[in-house]
Amino acid sequence: GAVVSQHPSRVICKSGTSVKIECRSLDFQATTMFWYRQFPKQSLMLMATSNEGSKATYEQGVEKDKFLINHASLTLSTLTVTSAHPEDSSFYICSAGDRGPSGNTIYFGEGSWLTVV
Amino acid sequence: QKEVEQNSGPLSVPEGAIASLNCTYSDRGSQSFFWYRQYSGKSPELIMSIYSNGDKEDGRFTAQLNKASQYVSLLIRDSQPSDSATYLCAVNSGRWNSGGSNYKLTFGKGTLLTVNP
Repeated sequence: GAVVSQHPSRVICKSGTSVKIECRSLDFQATTMFWYRQFPKQSLMLMATSNEGSKATYEQGVEKDKFLINHASLTLSTLTVTSAHPEDSSFYICSAGDRGPSGNTIYFGEGSWLTVV
Repeated sequence: QKEVEQNSGPLSVPEGAIASLNCTYSDRGSQSFFWYRQYSGKSPELIMSIYSNGDKEDGRFTAQLNKASQYVSLLIRDSQPSDSATYLCAVNSGRWNSGGSNYKLTFGKGTLLTVNP
């Protein structure tokens, strides 16, 4: 099946610094990738839709200047958390869609745990 | 506001029993329906996808969809302790276009399933 890889799996950074998370589709081309955030015991919340070669579409309430998304190729999207603060500590998950014969399916990366200290 | 509702649980079943997980959704125009399994601290893993009314079976898992009732369920037969996880129902109301921008999953909050040995 389709595989989506995310890196790093865990990262600790100091408050005020920036952190970049990469999301790669390994065996298919993904014109669209999605970035989610999940706080403990909460559901996944979509942050933004990343479109290859164009600007990302952010969900209401998500600061686009704080969460920078770049989708420079059909297999790579990056999320940069700028000027991170402790409240940004969360589980960040990317996903990408594969258009199969039965329909369209979203596959998730392994997720990245961000801790801001 | 598109909503996906799940009973948060926990749902506790004995090993070997059938676990039944339910989900309702508000958007009658929804096209695709997915069940994901998420272990604590891990990313969601796709279990089943279903697109048309009726049942779809895959091994010990059966997804059931009733669009008239806006209801989708997941049955797990011969439940195993390794099935203990949070099960997320996800619904897509958009259509996959070349940019994928309308393809957005809405997740329920998940049902915690515990299978007791």
